[in-house]
Amino acid sequence: QKEVEQDPGPLSVPEGAIVSLNCTYSNSAFQYFMWYRQYSRKGPELLMYTYSSGNKEDGRFTAQVDKSSKYISLFIRDSQPSDSATYLCAMRKKRMNAGGTSYGKLTFGQGTILTVHP
Amino acid sequence: KAGVTQTPRYLIKTRGQQVTLSCSPISGHRSVSWYQQTPGQGLQFLFEYFSETQRNKGNFPGRFSGRQFSNSRSEMNVSTLELGDSALYLCASSQTPINTKTSGFTYEQYFGPGTRLTVT
Repeated sequence: QKEVEQDPGPLSVPEGAIVSLNCTYSNSAFQYFMWYRQYSRKGPELLMYTYSSGNKEDGRFTAQVDKSSKYISLFIRDSQPSDSATYLCAMRKKRMNAGGTSYGKLTFGQGTILTVHP
Repeated sequence: KAGVTQTPRYLIKTRGQQVTLSCSPISGHRSVSWYQQTPGQGLQFLFEYFSETQRNKGNFPGRFSGRQFSNSRSEMNVSTLELGDSALYLCASSQTPINTKTSGFTYEQYFGPGTRLTVT
């Protein structure tokens, strides 16, 4: 079983719809959560990041983290055709050592392919 | 500020050959990480370099290696290519390496466009 699970879709929605993208994880050491967007033939682009449970909003995007359920979501409001891309969740494990906190490598979900049609 | 650049963008090689890919990080970034992306396995961490030293390594065979130069530019080498090595190879840069002790703040990774490697 993968440490991070993400439904690959594909997901097809009409323009203006609210999109919900989700990931689950199995290890509670994951404490730093990110969403990346990847257009075809491009590298992933960081959209949002958060450390805390709850919601974080940035324009039309809202990242939600529920650490008790080990579940994260990305909501896109008023979706546009330009939002058509693959969305990847990613997370890093937190390590507490003498001298401070550190975060490990990025572990990615499989990515969800989103198409917003006019 | 210029982003992460990778060369070449596309490459076709035959089984058994070797290949070298190059990555130039964002100016001021000293950590470079390499990832392999395939439809079946998704994005997987290969290794990370910081200050010309490999700091972290993923679960890939020894055919995959890398190095970093004093100007933070990095190269990745794959020897004895196999068909399964066909993938998009992504480089990401950040200001600090992973597993760096911080007071709770850490730096994000920024990705380049990738090198599409096809092995025939």
